[in-house]
Amino acid sequence: NAGVMQNPRHLVRRRGQEARLRCSPMKGHSHVYWYRQLPEEGLKFMVYLQKENIIDESGMPKERFSAEFPKEGPSILRIQQVVRGDSAAYFCASSKRGSETQYFGPGTRLLVL
Amino acid sequence: KQEVTQIPAALSVPEGENLVLNCSFTDSAIYNLQWFRQDPGKGLTSLLLIQSSQREQTSGRLNASLDKSSGRSTLYIAASQPGDSATYLCAVRGVAGGTSYGKLTFGQGTILTVHP
Repeated sequence: NAGVMQNPRHLVRRRGQEARLRCSPMKGHSHVYWYRQLPEEGLKFMVYLQKENIIDESGMPKERFSAEFPKEGPSILRIQQVVRGDSAAYFCASSKRGSETQYFGPGTRLLVL
Repeated sequence: KQEVTQIPAALSVPEGENLVLNCSFTDSAIYNLQWFRQDPGKGLTSLLLIQSSQREQTSGRLNASLDKSSGRSTLYIAASQPGDSATYLCAVRGVAGGTSYGKLTFGQGTILTVHP
């Protein structure tokens, strides 16, 4: 059973471009969570999704950030008009149900030039 | 709002020592607490998960305890090895019906270095 997959592992963008980060949960998992780890800071929750639903987006910045988890395909975290402060490691986790253990992917390291 | 604090921020020990990492949280209404390990540039590996009704969990040389009423957890590592060098993260999950249900709130981590 493959673990949580994230791609790309590394992403370089120039200021103003868009970044799309993908997360494929473990097989049988229908709950996805996104976390961000800024340099020298801890992991911070961003958003919690189920298939086609956003359950909790209390950690998402109000502008430029959006997330989806469609019925088919991976979950996508989208950052529009990236700025240098968006440079961070973005981790995705998945679980079978909201109450169960979250398994983390290897992360996507975003660098904004 | 749940806040998680880990002490110490960094720890350097010689190989073979037993050591304790500390984690405290401000809201005792938690569903569970989890300890993770993170190697540089890598993802998170789950080490131990303690449900709110449990007092401790053990896996090999690792033992984690939970005192929910006082808002504390400790991770005990016995006979440390250089391969244990990593950042150790503590995370709590809120209870169902609460505002933090489902999401994990992380501490800042303890950077552990075990030197030969």
